[in-house]
Amino acid sequence: EDQVTQSPEALRLQEGESSSLNCSYTVSGLRGLFWYRQDPGKGPEFLFTLYSAGEEKEKERLKATLTKKESFLHITAPKPEDSATYLCAVHLQGGSEKLVFGKGTKLTVNP
Amino acid sequence: NAGVTQTPKFRILKIGQSMTLQCTQDMNHNYMYWYRQDPGMGLKLIYYSVGAGITDKGEVPNGYNVSRSTTEDFPLRLELAAPSQTSVYFCASSWGQGFTEAFFGQGTRLTVV
Repeated sequence: EDQVTQSPEALRLQEGESSSLNCSYTVSGLRGLFWYRQDPGKGPEFLFTLYSAGEEKEKERLKATLTKKESFLHITAPKPEDSATYLCAVHLQGGSEKLVFGKGTKLTVNP
Repeated sequence: NAGVTQTPKFRILKIGQSMTLQCTQDMNHNYMYWYRQDPGMGLKLIYYSVGAGITDKGEVPNGYNVSRSTTEDFPLRLELAAPSQTSVYFCASSWGQGFTEAFFGQGTRLTVV
């Protein structure tokens, strides 16, 4: 069964304290891996798409990386406004539009 | 540019009632999707559409119906509402083939009592 697991479920950081979020997947075939940010009461907001192992994408304090089994979202020197739930999703091969989402990591950055 | 607009934002239904969740996008995207998000769970795909007149089931379609008569609109119909349909519903759209960058609406929080 195709599965996406995100860890940790919740993470508390002090402002400036860098860390990483993990998204591991066991799927039959990967077309792409997506990272989204979701603020309370809002819809997910697109951050990155990664397609192949070794690929990296950066945006401000965020950097996403991909291996054959997992992806990391690295947060460098986070600020309180980075507090949100970060969702990982994988797009499966096989012609389906199925996107399998993880349960998310809730990040809180304290000032 | 409004993006993806969902209405209503909140709704309380009684068991057995029906309703339509509206979704419209102004980005001329071919692909549109309906997801539900339950507390502590990942988003689950209900239905999707690859263009006007074409729809297909996702992971959890039971109890729902959709139609796509125009590129812009993708309403989700709930028939005979049940407590298990209490959830937050998100509509999303994307361009091109496959699940490229998707834009999500603000969500509809539905409670069935």
